[in-house]
Amino acid sequence: QKEVEQDPGPLSVPEGAIVSLNCTYSNSAFQYFMWYRQYSRKGPELLMYTYSSGNKEDGRFTAQVDKSSKYISLFIRDSQPSDSATYLCASIQGAQKLVFGQGTRLTINP
Amino acid sequence: DVKVTQSSRYLVKRTGEKVFLECVQDMDHENMFWYRQDPGLGLRLIYFSYDVKMKEKGDIPEGYSVSREKKERFSLILESASTNQTSMYLCASSLNTGDPQPASEKLFFGSGTQLSVL
Repeated sequence: QKEVEQDPGPLSVPEGAIVSLNCTYSNSAFQYFMWYRQYSRKGPELLMYTYSSGNKEDGRFTAQVDKSSKYISLFIRDSQPSDSATYLCASIQGAQKLVFGQGTRLTINP
Repeated sequence: DVKVTQSSRYLVKRTGEKVFLECVQDMDHENMFWYRQDPGLGLRLIYFSYDVKMKEKGDIPEGYSVSREKKERFSLILESASTNQTSMYLCASSLNTGDPQPASEKLFFGSGTQLSVL
């Protein structure tokens, strides 16, 4: 079992919809959680990170961590075609090593 | 702007060939990483390095080796390429602050090398 699990999708929604992307993790020691965004034919880029439980908001993006259920979420409000990408959740495994989920491919249809 | 450059975007090799994938970063980062990315499996860490001439095995090091002779350059070597090594290879670098704060774990990725082994 992977330490971070993510539904690979693909997920396709109309422009303007609220998107919910989710991951689960198994290691209770994980405290920092990241979301990376990867456009086609590019490497991933850090989008957001959160520490422990709670929410963090950045513009149209909200990252949420529920440590009691070991659940990580990324919400995108007012989704745009430019949000079409693969989204990868990740956590720090230790000694600056990241462990990634499988990635969810998202398409926003105009 | 920060940059991680991978030498080839696409590479086609034959089974049994020795393959070199090169990665250069211009950010003076201590840490460098090699991942492979496969559909349904996500990113898996092959090797990483904290400093020149230092290397650590990741989760899937079998069939690979690395070299880091200079701080800015990290090479991945496939000693004898096999078809199951067909994949997207991503190099990344990060700053070593010695602190598990997320900012220090911010990885900067290259655009990847799509390797096909025939």
